[in-house]
Amino acid sequence: SQQGEEDPQALSIQEGENATMNCSYKTSINNLQWYRQNSGRGLVHLILIRSNEREKHSGRLRVTLDTSKKSSSLLITASRAADTASYFCATDYLGGYSTLTFGKGTMLLVS
Amino acid sequence: EPEVTQTPSHQVTQMGQEVILRCVPISNHLYFYWYRQILGQKVEFLVSFYNNEISEKSEIFDDQFSVERPDGSNFTLKIRSTKLEDSAMYFCASDRQDYEQYFGPGTRLTVT
Repeated sequence: SQQGEEDPQALSIQEGENATMNCSYKTSINNLQWYRQNSGRGLVHLILIRSNEREKHSGRLRVTLDTSKKSSSLLITASRAADTASYFCATDYLGGYSTLTFGKGTMLLVS
Repeated sequence: EPEVTQTPSHQVTQMGQEVILRCVPISNHLYFYWYRQILGQKVEFLVSFYNNEISEKSEIFDDQFSVERPDGSNFTLKIRSTKLEDSAMYFCASDRQDYEQYFGPGTRLTVT
């Protein structure tokens, strides 16, 4: 079955720096979404990128998608302490329903 | 901004008891989902619901689980006889048919 897998598992940076997280998956997808989760809380939707898109921006977020490599990256620019959270990618597979398969996440610490 | 709400935020129950977790999806959304996250693990899909019926379910969603949309706003997940391994955070989500799923804050279920 297809999975989203993020790397690195943990990332520690200073405020003002950029943070880049990567996600890989195994099977063809319709869409890839990124979510943020603060410790023990709910999942906040950040951005959705469709399989025919290569790049998308939302505020300080930039997401890229490379379907030939089955990978995506999330870039957070000028990070803030409030960006400290776990970040997950989630995919829905081509030809299926819209159910999401999540990766294990990247834990980002901004200090 | 509209959001998915869930009640209760925390539920403690004894093994073997029935629990009902409640969700109010975003009002113009058409697809509804339940996911769960066992502490320290990935978020896992349980079930999706559209047009008053289950559209997809995972292996986790066995006969002990059921879902219902009893009225125009609520969406519930029932676990008939809880087990210790059902302890997890349960998330409800909804979308409009554009695949952008919005999640509720979750219900933490603790089975003792």
